[in-house]
Amino acid sequence: EVQLLESGGGLVQPGGSLRLSCVASGFTFSSYAMSWVRQTPAKGLEWVSGISDTGAGTYYGGSVRDRFTVSRDNSKNTLYLQMNSLTADDTAVYYCAKGPHSDFWSGRGDWFGPWGQGALVTVSS
Amino acid sequence: DIQMTQSPSSVSASVGDRVTISCRASQVITNSLAWYQQRPGKAPKLLVYDASRLESGVPSRFSGSGSGTDYTLTISSLQPEDFATYFCQQYYSISLNFGGGTKVQIK
Repeated sequence: EVQLLESGGGLVQPGGSLRLSCVASGFTFSSYAMSWVRQTPAKGLEWVSGISDTGAGTYYGGSVRDRFTVSRDNSKNTLYLQMNSLTADDTAVYYCAKGPHSDFWSGRGDWFGPWGQGALVTVSS
Repeated sequence: DIQMTQSPSSVSASVGDRVTISCRASQVITNSLAWYQQRPGKAPKLLVYDASRLESGVPSRFSGSGSGTDYTLTISSLQPEDFATYFCQQYYSISLNFGGGTKVQIK
């Protein structure tokens, strides 16, 4: 059974940084692209970032580009999201999600499944 | 960016009813569309990808259809566990995005 377990969420001040982790099990992690998706009641679901199986390809949504960095350690079956210069607009539940292919983008993007249980990030002073 | 518009935003239905949810893209997305179900307090769950392909393990009462810019998720006979919020997502463009959701409520 595929399992994705996020950690690292919490309360951070505006302008601060936070790193999320997602530990994967139940599948060959190094063979699949992975993504981060966030959700708020106001804005709904928003794709944040994607990364190819080897980590060579990384992709970002417009609202986080230049502030967030996605990476992975295939030896540890772990996906990361480094978030810098956080603002209140980044407050959300962050999900990691498995892609169906090795490359995140090959002419078109991917759907997501399964998803982790989510990690709450709150940006507030 | 491609805009995804779902309708209705909510629907009230009874067990056994047939429910149809629509998703319209602002441009042609060539069947690059997925549907998800989200129960309260839970993560989204993939139901359908490539507009009409059912994810493994998803009950056959769920089906997806459509082409071009207009897509539909149909639940043929609503079950108690189907009361949830449903989202569409396009992956035709690198700016992947989701519809606003349709909440299926008990009538």
